[in-house]
Amino acid sequence: GQNIDQPTEMTATEGAIVQINCTYQTSGFNGLFWYQQHAGEAPTFLSYNVLDGLEEKGRFSSFLSRSKGYSYLLLKELQMKDSASYLCAVLDSNYQLIWGAGTKLIIKP
Amino acid sequence: DAMVIQNPRYQVTQFGKPVTLSCSQTLNHNVMYWYQQKSSQAPKLLFHYYDKDFNNEADTPDNFQSRRPNTSFCFLDIRSPGLGDAAMYLCATSREGRGQGTDTQYFGPGTRLTVL
Repeated sequence: GQNIDQPTEMTATEGAIVQINCTYQTSGFNGLFWYQQHAGEAPTFLSYNVLDGLEEKGRFSSFLSRSKGYSYLLLKELQMKDSASYLCAVLDSNYQLIWGAGTKLIIKP
Repeated sequence: DAMVIQNPRYQVTQFGKPVTLSCSQTLNHNVMYWYQQKSSQAPKLLFHYYDKDFNNEADTPDNFQSRRPNTSFCFLDIRSPGLGDAAMYLCATSREGRGQGTDTQYFGPGTRLTVL
């Protein structure tokens, strides 16, 4: 079966750095997405990785290792508004998006 | 601004009373998706349209139907809502689908359905 694993919940302090991990086992791989979802709102696109390595976009970076079936989202200089769920999703061989359940990130002052 | 619009944002219906949720997009994307998302769970794909080509997920109940009368609009019909159908319903679009480009999906704000 297809599976995406990410921690259920994480807590971090304002101004700090946090890394949210995602491991996946899917039938094929055509890229990995990270989305941010605030409570009661729709997911918003953060990043897309299809090649190994680190993609940096402002305070957010996303890393991919295809051989390990592993990705992480790195958030720097955390702000209170970063409190949200972060969803990892993989595009499989049929170009279907397989979603993780999301990691709820709680930022404390 | 190009966007994905969903109406209404909040919908309340009676048990068994048909309800229709709507989605429109100004992105001119080929692909439109309907997801169901319950609290603290991953979005669950119900079906998607690649242009006019309808694709139903195997485990989507028959109670859920969809229509896409033109490129811009897509509707989700729930014929006889049950208490278990209370959820957030998300509409999303992508430019090409089927491996063309990055297939990034862009979401509307969602419709939160309550079943009484």
